[in-house]
This record gives sequence, structure tokens and C-alpha cells, in this order.
Amino acid sequence: TQLLEQSPQFLSIQEGENLTVYCNSSSVFSSLQWYRQEPGEGPVLLVTVVTGGEVKKLKRLTFQFGDARKDSSLHITAAQPGDTGLYLCAGSPSSSASKIIFGSGTRLSIRP
Amino acid sequence: EAQVTQNPRYLITVTGKKLTVTCSQNMNHEYMSWYRQDPGLGLRQIYYSMNVEVTDKGDVPEGYKVSRKEKRNFPLILESPSPNQTSLYFCASSIRTRGGEQFFGPGTRLTVL
Repeated sequence: TQLLEQSPQFLSIQEGENLTVYCNSSSVFSSLQWYRQEPGEGPVLLVTVVTGGEVKKLKRLTFQFGDARKDSSLHITAAQPGDTGLYLCAGSPSSSASKIIFGSGTRLSIRP
Repeated sequence: EAQVTQNPRYLITVTGKKLTVTCSQNMNHEYMSWYRQDPGLGLRQIYYSMNVEVTDKGDVPEGYKVSRKEKRNFPLILESPSPNQTSLYFCASSIRTRGGEQFFGPGTRLTVL
């Protein structure tokens, strides 16, 4: 069974602090995506990373895809209360590119 | 407006009573998928479809059926619902299977008593 393990599961930090969320697997993924989900809504795509070692920036968010395409990280600089939400990584394993697997999610809370 | 719609949004039913959750997208997407979301487990793929009349099992297909007779519609059928199918269900569509952005519907909260 291909799994995407996210850590930490919960994170509560003060506004202005930095944080990193990790998404790890023993399987190779053809691509990895990060979504953010707010209560009562479906997930919304933040970014897709495709190439091993790729780094993408979205304002204060930095996403990295591991060289071996088995892991990814999301780093938030100077977190703000508006960053609060559930962050999910998702990917298509190279062995089964039509399936999509989601990590269990990181629930992030930013205190003002 | 480009969107994925699901109906109903909320449903309370009893064990064994067949139900269908509808999903429709207006973006002409090839790929559609159903997920269930349970606390601590993230989203788990139930079934997916790469095109009309092409469907395949995800990670948790037991107890569910789907059909894809038209490109825009992808209904989820529970022939004989059981309490362990109580969950939040999401339909999603994507222009392609590999790395394509998935657009999610608003979710259907199902309770099976």
C-alpha cells in the first residue's frame, strides 16, 4: 500500500513564526500537490511539483520536492492567522499514475 | 462559473436504504474521482474515472458503485449503506490524470444510522 505520511498532524504557533510541514513516502511519485482546506469546503490546490529537487514559491509559502521524488515539504515564513487551515499533500504514485493518494493532513492554527 | 456540484449536501439515512450522491462538472474534464474524508485519515479515494465508461477502484471501493455514462456526471451509489460509511464525501474533477489540478465539490455529509 502506497502511503503519504504527513507530519506534524497538528501545529499551533504564534503569528510571525516560521513552520515546516513534511510529506514523506517510501514510494516514488510522478508529482506531488499541496492543497489547503477550510472548514465546510473542499480542498483547493496551492501548488504542483513535478521535478525532483524542484522548489516553488507562493508568496510566503515555499514548496520543495525531494530529489528522489519520495517526499515534499511546505515551509511558511512569518505565519499569519489567515494561514490557518488543513494542509494536505497528494500525489500519483509512479507505479499507478491514475490513482491519487492523500496524506492524512496537517491542521495548522496560527494564534494572533 | 466553472464548478463541481454535489447533491445532496447533507443526508441522514438508515442502514440498507439505497442512495445516490450526484456529482456534475461543467469544465469538460476527463478525470473524475470520489473521496471520503474521515478524521485523522485525510482523503481516501473510492473510485475514479479517466473517461466516459472507464472507471476503476481507488483505495476504499468496498460498498460503493459508480458509473460514468456522460462526461459531466459521476454519481456515487451506495446499494446498502452501513454505519461505517458515515463520512464526508467529496467529488473532484481534473483536466488530466497526471499532476492535474483537482477541483473539488462542496462535499456531502452522510450519516447512516
